[in-house]
Amino acid sequence: QLQLQESGPGLVKPSETLSLTCTVSGGSISSSSYYWGWIRQPPGKGLEWIGSIYYSGSTYYNPSLKSRVTISVDTSKNQFSLKLSSVTAADTAVYYCASTITMIVVDWGQGTLVTVSS
Amino acid sequence: EIVMTQSPATLSVSPGERATLSCRASQSVSSNLAWYQQKPGQAPRLLIYGASTRATGIPARFSGSGSGTEFTLTISSLQSEDFAVYYCQQYNNWPPGVTFGGGTKVEIK
Repeated sequence: QLQLQESGPGLVKPSETLSLTCTVSGGSISSSSYYWGWIRQPPGKGLEWIGSIYYSGSTYYNPSLKSRVTISVDTSKNQFSLKLSSVTAADTAVYYCASTITMIVVDWGQGTLVTVSS
Repeated sequence: EIVMTQSPATLSVSPGERATLSCRASQSVSSNLAWYQQKPGQAPRLLIYGASTRATGIPARFSGSGSGTEFTLTISSLQSEDFAVYYCQQYNNWPPGVTFGGGTKVEIK
């Protein structure tokens, strides 16, 4: 079982870029078995898929967020990252990083709350 | 985008009783359907994938069924630790589309 840990600022100003990193332990991010993903959950609401990346760098984004999302991978650090630009209050959420097998989420990070506010 | 609709939004059940949760897809997702359990303040946990296969360590009281557009999660005899929110997720049409249902909260009656 992999362990995933999100890190990054808990407060972001409107119109700025949200940046989070996920550190993977207990396995290699270069494993061909996994895609690595980001999922978010606004307070009191349901889950929304943000996007996924393969260790090779291939990315897949939620069409509704695609214009603002960039996911990248750093195999040397066993990390992958999320950038979400031009944030608004609607982007306030708990952000989870995850390991997935054919988009089935098998391991989750504990989640990190990111609040968008001035 | 495939829309996943879960019903009911809230299900009140007594401990020891059976709970039946529904998930409907706006178009066929074959058997590419997963169920997750989320307790307050925790990340979700995978219960079922492939519509009916239990994930590692998931008790046999959890079962999934269905294919195409209609799916069911059944908890045969609710234990205290099963009161939580349950989400379905389709992964049939990726890339890029992966979508979750809105969730069903199972609460103590």
